[in-house]
Amino acid sequence: LAKTTQPISMDSYEGQEVNITCSHNNIATNDYITWYQQFPSQGPRFIIQGYKTKVTNEVASLFIPADRKSSTLSLPRVSLSDTAVYYCLVGAFYNNNDMRFGAGTRLTVKP
Amino acid sequence: DTEVTQTPKHLVMGMTNKKSLKCEQHMGHRAMYWYKQKAKKPPELMFVYSYEKLSINESVPSRFSPECPNSSLLNLHLHALQPEDSALYLCASSQDGTGRYEQYFGPGTRLTVT
Repeated sequence: LAKTTQPISMDSYEGQEVNITCSHNNIATNDYITWYQQFPSQGPRFIIQGYKTKVTNEVASLFIPADRKSSTLSLPRVSLSDTAVYYCLVGAFYNNNDMRFGAGTRLTVKP
Repeated sequence: DTEVTQTPKHLVMGMTNKKSLKCEQHMGHRAMYWYKQKAKKPPELMFVYSYEKLSINESVPSRFSPECPNSSLLNLHLHALQPEDSALYLCASSQDGTGRYEQYFGPGTRLTVT
């Protein structure tokens, strides 16, 4: 079971780039790394997923070093609406339940 | 259609009541999930159905009973709940249960047990 560790909270200002790092030292070969965003009283929303190296989509980038023991979510030019909790999820479900959300990072974007 | 729907949106029930939460998706996904989320905590996995096979989280009390009538529907039957079961119950689905596909979450059912 790959456990994840994230910073509890981060503050940023509008227009800045935000990098949130997740540690997952015992990640398994079959595990994928997925990041979700959650606003209060809503279900989490998928941001990005990766297995190794770098992945980029229209909203974020995900950097994964060669040893895959950590990953960094990069949010370019954040706005006030990016204030949310960001979860790092590592795991693969086959015949056991090892899909687990980490504690999450509460990002506050200030004007 | 990339939506997961959940009903009801809010539910208040007494400790002796029996109620059900419903979840539906029409994306052809073969894995569906129930999560429980307490305030300021991460979602906690309760149950997973993958290709209509149930995998039970061992820490879930028997007063929670999942049902998957077909690949598009997922129910959570509730009986004799405790006040500490009050939480946001989230349903999600994904293409399969391997972890390589994103999960789509519903808006949740806010459950209050009195």
